Amino acid sequence: AQKITQTQPGMFVQEKEAVTLDCTYDTSDPSYGLFWYKQPSSGEMIFLIYQGSYDQQNATEGRYSLNFQKARKSANLVISASQLGDSAMYFCAMRENTGGFKTIFGAGTRLFVKA
Amino acid sequence: EAQVTQNPRYLITVTGKKLTVICSQNMNHEYMSWYRQDPGLGLRQIYYSMNVEVTDKGDVPEGYKVSRKEKRNFPLILESPSPNQTSLYFCASSLHKATGQRGDDNQPQHFGDGTRLSIL
Repeated sequence: AQKITQTQPGMFVQEKEAVTLDCTYDTSDPSYGLFWYKQPSSGEMIFLIYQGSYDQQNATEGRYSLNFQKARKSANLVISASQLGDSAMYFCAMRENTGGFKTIFGAGTRLFVKA
Repeated sequence: EAQVTQNPRYLITVTGKKLTVICSQNMNHEYMSWYRQDPGLGLRQIYYSMNVEVTDKGDVPEGYKVSRKEKRNFPLILESPSPNQTSLYFCASSLHKATGQRGDDNQPQHFGDGTRLSIL
């Protein structure tokens, strides 16, 4: 069955430092997509980055990169040069592409960036 | 402006009084979905739709109904709301190319601003 696990309920990082948010997943589908979303205190959901199961290279979008280790079923988000505005809730999500297109989310990690 | 619009944004109502939350998108997206967000549980998918007249259950469909009569609209219906349906609800939409090309099916979802429902 599909499952997403985010083991860090909360994390602190110093401004300008890099931080890694963990995400592990479980699926038997060979074709799937992994997504990270940010939810600031204002409540909206903001798409950050995507990694496809067949992608050979790790995805990058500006200060965000996804450390994709397929054999270990992990898709960790790396934020470089943290900014105060990065303080938010971060969700990892997965969507399978065969046998249905359900999407599941992890419980989230709340990131606090310290000045 | 490309957007997903939810109405109402806030609603307080009583047990058993039928309610509908409207979701509309103007991006011609095939895929639409409803989620509820509860503390410590992240977002859980209620129902999703791949296209007009095609809907399927997510992980927590009990107590909810949906319909997809038009591509742009995907209303969420609570026929007889109960207090355990008090939650923050999000509607989302995305393209679904279904070309068979690897990666084309995986399009990021665009979310509405959320609807906070309180069932007393």
